[in-house]
Amino acid sequence: DAKTTQPNSMESNEEEPVHLPCNHSTISGTDYIHWYRQLPSQGPEYVIHGLTSNVNNRMASLAIAEDRKSSTLILHRATLRDAAVYYCILRDTRGTSGTYKYIFGTGTRLKVLA
Amino acid sequence: NAGVTQTPKFRILKIGQSMTLQCTQDMNHNYMYWYRQDPGMGLKLIYYSVGAGITDKGEVPNGYNVSRSTTEDFPLRLELAAPSQTSVYFCASSYSGQDRSGELFFGEGSRLTVL
Repeated sequence: DAKTTQPNSMESNEEEPVHLPCNHSTISGTDYIHWYRQLPSQGPEYVIHGLTSNVNNRMASLAIAEDRKSSTLILHRATLRDAAVYYCILRDTRGTSGTYKYIFGTGTRLKVLA
Repeated sequence: NAGVTQTPKFRILKIGQSMTLQCTQDMNHNYMYWYRQDPGMGLKLIYYSVGAGITDKGEVPNGYNVSRSTTEDFPLRLELAAPSQTSVYFCASSYSGQDRSGELFFGEGSRLTVL
């Protein structure tokens, strides 16, 4: 299974940008990079995903390295409500008969300081 | 759309009892997943299904069984509950394919305690 590596925790000041890194050196050419976040006592929620090009949506931006071995989730202005655990995962296409599965790591716990 | 619905939200079991966690989705997603999350840890994939009648093991399948008789439903059965199965269980679904990246939609979770 393709693995991702993230820092255990990060801190940011409110209203400042946050760059959350993720390494995925064993990524295959067809693996999508997904980011999810989990607020306290809730299930994970989708943030953003990409394959090769950088992506933007209303929540965040995703910057993908040219060799696809790493990516960065960018929160442009962190708020207190962004305090959560952020998971970078790969949609793994190496399952049986080309089936897709998502393997979560331990994620990065983001603390936002007022 | 209700999205992904899990029942029950909370349950306490005695060692050796059995139970089924229910999961249903109304988004016509082909893929469904069961994860467990132990306190302070990340999610571990238990089983997943690529469509009705097809299931496959994830990272931690021992002690669990699943079935997928319809597109909508993906129940998770615990046989002979053990304290090590105390966890929060999340069901998720996605629409995945070669041309679809398939973001996951999660239920609210089912908190299970085995005493």
